[in-house]
Amino acid sequence: DSGVTQTPKHLITATGQRVTLRCSPRSGDLSVYWYQQSLDQGLQFLIQYYNGEERAKGNILERFSAQQFPDLHSELNLSSLELGDSALYFCASSASTGSNSPLHFGNGTRLTVT
Amino acid sequence: SQQGEEDPQALSIQEGENATMNCSYKTSINNLQWYRQNSGRGLVHLILIRSNEREKHSGRLRVTLDTSKKSSSLLITASRAADTASYFCATDVTGGFKTIFGAGTRLFVKA
Repeated sequence: DSGVTQTPKHLITATGQRVTLRCSPRSGDLSVYWYQQSLDQGLQFLIQYYNGEERAKGNILERFSAQQFPDLHSELNLSSLELGDSALYFCASSASTGSNSPLHFGNGTRLTVT
Repeated sequence: SQQGEEDPQALSIQEGENATMNCSYKTSINNLQWYRQNSGRGLVHLILIRSNEREKHSGRLRVTLDTSKKSSSLLITASRAADTASYFCATDVTGGFKTIFGAGTRLFVKA
């Protein structure tokens, strides 16, 4: 058990809808990362937060947004969903903001857009 | 495009054999990490090697890093059926905060 909790585990929704994915980091970790994993794109880095502040941005679409709250949990909001957004979305946490700390992954949220 | 790329894409071996996976990356790094992912599950951190290190061991795992060639290898010795998983290398970019993953090597260990 990594200590990172993601909810929900599965989400099925229709095109055009909006969903919110939630992540609780491992106790004591200040950094939260979001990744998207699909069959044809591999594991894509979306965004990183450290102690409530955005620190790095990857290939995150404008339809997607995220935030980290004062209690350090994070939410990833996906709007105007398209079929191509169907993927596994992973949250990971680490102790520091640098890349010298291992990432601890949750078990992901599987999003299916129909 | 990915910062790291693993090779081979897939590998099938018999239990007891050694498995070697390679990772190449494009830009200078601070460190390189290897992760394992069982089907549909979250990734699990295996080992981190810093740019000033050349080799690191952890149990049956041996990782090498050649910064001049921008490449790393992961060796799993005496493989077991339970080692069946996808293996990813992950790199940062010097001065950056992102950890970028390669496309992974799918390892299948036959009992």
